[in-house]
Amino acid sequence: NAGVTQTPKFRVLKTGQSMTLLCAQDMNHEYMYWYRQDPGMGLRLIHYSVGEGTTAKGEVPDGYNVSRLKKQNFLLGLESAAPSQTSVYFCASQTREEQYFGPGTRLTVT
Amino acid sequence: GESVGLHLPTLSVQEGDNSIINCAYSNSASDYFIWYKQESGKGPQFIIDIRSNMDKRQGQRVTVLLNKTVKHLSLQIAATQPGDSAVYFCAEKTPGNQFYFGTGTSLTVIP
Repeated sequence: NAGVTQTPKFRVLKTGQSMTLLCAQDMNHEYMYWYRQDPGMGLRLIHYSVGEGTTAKGEVPDGYNVSRLKKQNFLLGLESAAPSQTSVYFCASQTREEQYFGPGTRLTVT
Repeated sequence: GESVGLHLPTLSVQEGDNSIINCAYSNSASDYFIWYKQESGKGPQFIIDIRSNMDKRQGQRVTVLLNKTVKHLSLQIAATQPGDSAVYFCAEKTPGNQFYFGTGTSLTVIP
């Protein structure tokens, strides 16, 4: 049981490039979340999903898209990366109420 | 939007002493609260939770206190150990199942 995994762990992008972050969970959780964590700020919700095939916007969704084609995977896409998207991204999945977090992806946009 | 704040950004304690980390939340309708521990370079790790119908919950060496009157949450760590050094932050869940997180308190345990 690996819990929540994220790939890649690190990535450097140039402004305008695109990429996809992958989150996978093997706990059969319905709810999954993408957060970003910036210095001096709490985790902020980007998008979330309440089940396979569903997605919804969180607090800071602009510049990101997500997909949940399979229950165990939640993908976060950046179509045209901007320096303001430099951050650490965390994925989480949720049982009844407790959220389990992945190890994070550190993204730098130059 | 929601506002979850911590009273102190840093806290230093002697090994063996008790630690108390505080948190204020803003949504009186929030029904569930969690404390997380985050070590450098790692994802947040669940420590303890409490529902809004409780005012105290104890775990192993940790206790969470909830004061709904003043919308205040605290985490008490007994006999603090060097391995407890980390950033601790609280989170509140609203009835709409949205989670809002505090900025964190950095706890340093002095051997």
